[in-house]
Amino acid sequence: QLQLQESGPGLVKPSETLSLTCTVSGGSISSSNYYWGWVRQPPGEGLEWIGSIYYSGSTYYNPSLKSRVTISVDTSRNQFSLKLTSVTAADTAVYYCASPRPDSTSCYQSWGQGTLVTVSS
Amino acid sequence: QSVLTQPPSVSAAPGQKVTISCSGSSSNIGNNHVSWYQQVPGTAPKLLIYDNSKRPSGIPDRFSGSKSGTSATLGITGLQTGDEADYYCGTWDSSLSARVFGGGTKMTVL
Repeated sequence: QLQLQESGPGLVKPSETLSLTCTVSGGSISSSNYYWGWVRQPPGEGLEWIGSIYYSGSTYYNPSLKSRVTISVDTSRNQFSLKLTSVTAADTAVYYCASPRPDSTSCYQSWGQGTLVTVSS
Repeated sequence: QSVLTQPPSVSAAPGQKVTISCSGSSSNIGNNHVSWYQQVPGTAPKLLIYDNSKRPSGIPDRFSGSKSGTSATLGITGLQTGDEADYYCGTWDSSLSARVFGGGTKMTVL
């Protein structure tokens, strides 16, 4: 069974860069034929899609975040990562990594447990 | 402001039926599959419905999904207190080249 686990600092200072990694177990990123994604949820608010990446490195980003987001993949470590630059308090959120169903890439079947990132000095 | 529109809240009594709507446009729901997620506060979202109406294994048939034109609907029958959660619809938006979610609906079992 596919499992995803987010890791990274829980506190980031304003104007700095938020960096998170998603480690995948129970499946291989390099043998997948779908896009692995990042989703965030500010406290008390709804889900916001950040972007996604294919094992080859091809990416899609949320247009509203595109100028600040970079998603990368390391197939040797079975991980993919998120970098968000110039963060502000508005970027405080629980960040989830997620993967689609192999038979339907239109949804997210597997989710990490989420990690809270707080932007504060 | 979400690309997909959901009612902020719905409620019904135990054992009753509730529906949650998700309205979009031709660039998203109208031409792409819709999925639905259940989220209990403090936990990760859980996939309930994919490809408009399919249920992953382990999801009871009390949960159903449908799509017509640029709108989709999640139905829950035989409501249980354990169904209290936030529900989100999601799909791909071909114009934005981005996944989009609805704003979420808080479902209360009275």
